[in-house]
Amino acid sequence: EVQLVESGGGLVQPGGSLRLSCAASGFTFSIYSMNWVRQAPGKGLEWVSYISGSSSTIYYADSVKGRFTISRDNAKNSLYLQMNSLRDEDTAVYYCSSYSGSYWGQGTLVTVSS
Amino acid sequence: QLVLTQSPSASASLGASVKLTCTLSSGHSSYAIAWHQQQPEKGPRYLMKVDSDGSHIKGDGIPDRFSGSSSGAERYLIISSLQPEDEADYYCQTWGTGIVVFGGGTKLTVL
Repeated sequence: EVQLVESGGGLVQPGGSLRLSCAASGFTFSIYSMNWVRQAPGKGLEWVSYISGSSSTIYYADSVKGRFTISRDNAKNSLYLQMNSLRDEDTAVYYCSSYSGSYWGQGTLVTVSS
Repeated sequence: QLVLTQSPSASASLGASVKLTCTLSSGHSSYAIAWHQQQPEKGPRYLMKVDSDGSHIKGDGIPDRFSGSSSGAERYLIISSLQPEDEADYYCQTWGTGIVVFGGGTKLTVL
């Protein structure tokens, strides 16, 4: 059974940092490109970042470029998102998903507030 | 610019059929898309991939009531024999070099 389990969310003050993790199982993680996708309260889905299976190609949405860093460890079947300089508008549920959306995690809530 | 357009809302009666539309922006009519369902207070669930020729590949466990098709730049999700649990938000997604794009979502109400 395919599973993606996110962790690391929580409450953080504006300007702070947080590192999200996503543990993958049930599929050959290393050959899958992965995304981070977020959903602000009451809003739609917003793509955040992409990383290829080998980590050789990485992309970011303009809204997070320069503040967020995506990475992965294929030996640990894990995906990460380092979030720095957090803003109120980064408040959202963050999901990890496969590139074309065939696999999704349950999400982890990040709240940026003073 | 790669953009997906969806109607904000749709409604249909219990037991009836509904067709949701996702429109690709000009110049991108050959792109495949994915459909996702998001029930209240839950994460997205992959339904299927729909290609430009109308062929579609469903995710594991997706009922036969769900199907997909295409016409030009439009990609469709057809749900037949609507059930109460089909009331949800439906999102389309596509992808290109350096970008992943979601439509704004359609809120489906089952009457």
